[in-house]
Amino acid sequence: DSGVTQTPKHLITATGQRVTLRCSPRSGDLSVYWYQQSLDQGLQFLIQYYNGEERAKGNILERFSAQQFPDLHSELNLSSLELGDSALYFCASSNRQGSYGYTFGSGTRLTVV
Amino acid sequence: DQQVKQNSPSLSVQEGRISILNCDYTNSMFDYFLWYKKYPAEGPTFLISISSIKDKNEDGRFTVFLNKSAKHLSLHIVPSQPGDSAVYFCAARNNFNKFYFGSGTKLNVKP
Repeated sequence: DSGVTQTPKHLITATGQRVTLRCSPRSGDLSVYWYQQSLDQGLQFLIQYYNGEERAKGNILERFSAQQFPDLHSELNLSSLELGDSALYFCASSNRQGSYGYTFGSGTRLTVV
Repeated sequence: DQQVKQNSPSLSVQEGRISILNCDYTNSMFDYFLWYKKYPAEGPTFLISISSIKDKNEDGRFTVFLNKSAKHLSLHIVPSQPGDSAVYFCAARNNFNKFYFGSGTKLNVKP
């Protein structure tokens, strides 16, 4: 157990729908990062939050949004889902804005049918 | 813009032999490098790191080498074990404390 908790572990939904992925960071970590891993692809950075504020954006689609709450948990919202959004979504957390690496959760596998 | 590249998507090695995983980067401002290991259905876990002020860091069977002039990073696993079979990601940190990840190399260690 890495200390980063992601729920749900698996999610199957239809095209056009909206889903919310949840992440609880490791205790004491203020930064949360969201990554997408599609089939045979590397880890694509989506977005970072630090202590409730957005800090960096990567290749995140406009249909996707995220937020970090006062208790530091984060949610990634994916809307108007397309088949190509099927992927593993990882959350990672770190202290001090990620100076020495991230701790990853076990991911949420999203399947869009 | 792929600033960190792992050009070998897969590698197969016999148990007991050396595994060498390679990683190239383009940004000379990267100052800290990591290797992560990922098993199926699990998140990546930290394996080993190296600062840009060093050229080698060793931890048990795992050694990371850094060649700054070539902008090249490698991970050596000696001896390789079947339990090492996983996907290995390299990552590099820029001067804004942001990490960039490679696309991963899938290592298969055959018994």
